[in-house]
Amino acid sequence: GQQVMQIPQYQHVQEGEDFTTYCNSSTTLSNIQWYKQRPGGHPVFLIQLVKSGEVKKQKRLTFQFGEAKKNSSLHITATQTTDVGTYFCAGQAILNSGYSTLTFGKGTMLLVSP
Amino acid sequence: DGGITQSPKYLFRKEGQNVTLSCEQNLNHDAMYWYRQDPGQGLRLIYYSQIVNDFQKGDIAEGYSVSREKKESFPLTVTSAQKNPTAFYLCASSIGQGSYNEQFFGPGTRLTVL
Repeated sequence: GQQVMQIPQYQHVQEGEDFTTYCNSSTTLSNIQWYKQRPGGHPVFLIQLVKSGEVKKQKRLTFQFGEAKKNSSLHITATQTTDVGTYFCAGQAILNSGYSTLTFGKGTMLLVSP
Repeated sequence: DGGITQSPKYLFRKEGQNVTLSCEQNLNHDAMYWYRQDPGQGLRLIYYSQIVNDFQKGDIAEGYSVSREKKESFPLTVTSAQKNPTAFYLCASSIGQGSYNEQFFGPGTRLTVL
């Protein structure tokens, strides 16, 4: 079945440093979504990427979708303590019968020290 | 105020007992999902439903059962056949099962089996 690998599993940075998490799928995706889960909370949707090579920005966050639509990345510039949480990518594949369910990566836990 | 509610937030049960977790949404979404989250494991799909009176097994359905008698409700029963039921359970919904639909998550239920 479809697998989505995410690295690193954990990263601890000083406030102001940059952060990047990477996501790789074993199959070509129709789209990829990113979610953030704060400690003790539930996942919250951040963004969806659909097109090959797509790049989207949300303030200090930059999301990329690879040309082959099998990998993606999330980059945070100048981290802040409010960025603390676990970031998940979730990929959706195209099946002969339609679309698959989302397959989530294991997430990258980000800790930011002031 | 639209959203997804899960109750209770914390649940304790003795080993060998079945337990039902509640999930209700007032977003008028067709699709609903149940995920299990274990530390370092990301989100794993248990069951999903695309429409009332229909549901499909996810990746880890063994030991679980669901029903979808109403559009707004998708309860999950953790049976005594589930070998490791202690986990954080998340319910989610989306407009439909098709592509490009973000998922909205409830606050989760943390189940502990003693």
